[in-house]
Amino acid sequence: SQQGEEDPQALSIQEGENATMNCSYKTSINNLQWYRQNSGRGLVHLILIRSNEREKHSGRLRVTLDTSKKSSSLLITASRAADTASYFCATAYYGNNRLAFGKGNQVVVIP
Amino acid sequence: EAGVVQSPRYKIIEKKQPVAFWCNPISGHNTLYWYRQNLGQGPELLIRYENEEAVDDSQLPKDRFSAERLKGVDSTLKIQPAELGDSAVYLCASSSDPGGNEQFFGPGTRLTVL
Repeated sequence: SQQGEEDPQALSIQEGENATMNCSYKTSINNLQWYRQNSGRGLVHLILIRSNEREKHSGRLRVTLDTSKKSSSLLITASRAADTASYFCATAYYGNNRLAFGKGNQVVVIP
Repeated sequence: EAGVVQSPRYKIIEKKQPVAFWCNPISGHNTLYWYRQNLGQGPELLIRYENEEAVDDSQLPKDRFSAERLKGVDSTLKIQPAELGDSAVYLCASSSDPGGNEQFFGPGTRLTVL
């Protein structure tokens, strides 16, 4: 079954720096979503990008999608300590409304 | 607006015992999901409901797992009997449409099987 896979698995950065993480998938998708999970707020939807979109912004988040390479990236600009969390990409593919989650990126933002 | 509610938050049981998890989705959300999340992994779908109908249960281990959503609102997931490998966080999510779009997750139930 299709599953997003994030790279790198763990990232440690200083507050104020940018954090970039990537996700790859294997088959055609309807959309790709990014979620954040931390102990305080559980799993929270961040942003959704559809297969016909190439880039999307939401606040300090920027997501790109390259369907030819079957990959996506999530950029968090000007990181804050509160951005410390695990970030998951999830793919929804045609013919099945199931979301397939990757293993997640652990991001630690050092104050 | 209230979010997805799950209970209990934590459960510790001995193997071979039964256990049940309860979920109340966001009001008006017809689509309800149950996921299992193992340590260090992403969530994996167990079952998806559209109203009271289970439309995707292909990944539910039906020999020991069962779920119901009798009135199309809240839902219960049961394991009987539990095994050591069932230790995980069980997440419930809901969405306003079945099209694989944004899902809203509850806080989860952390199950430990001893």
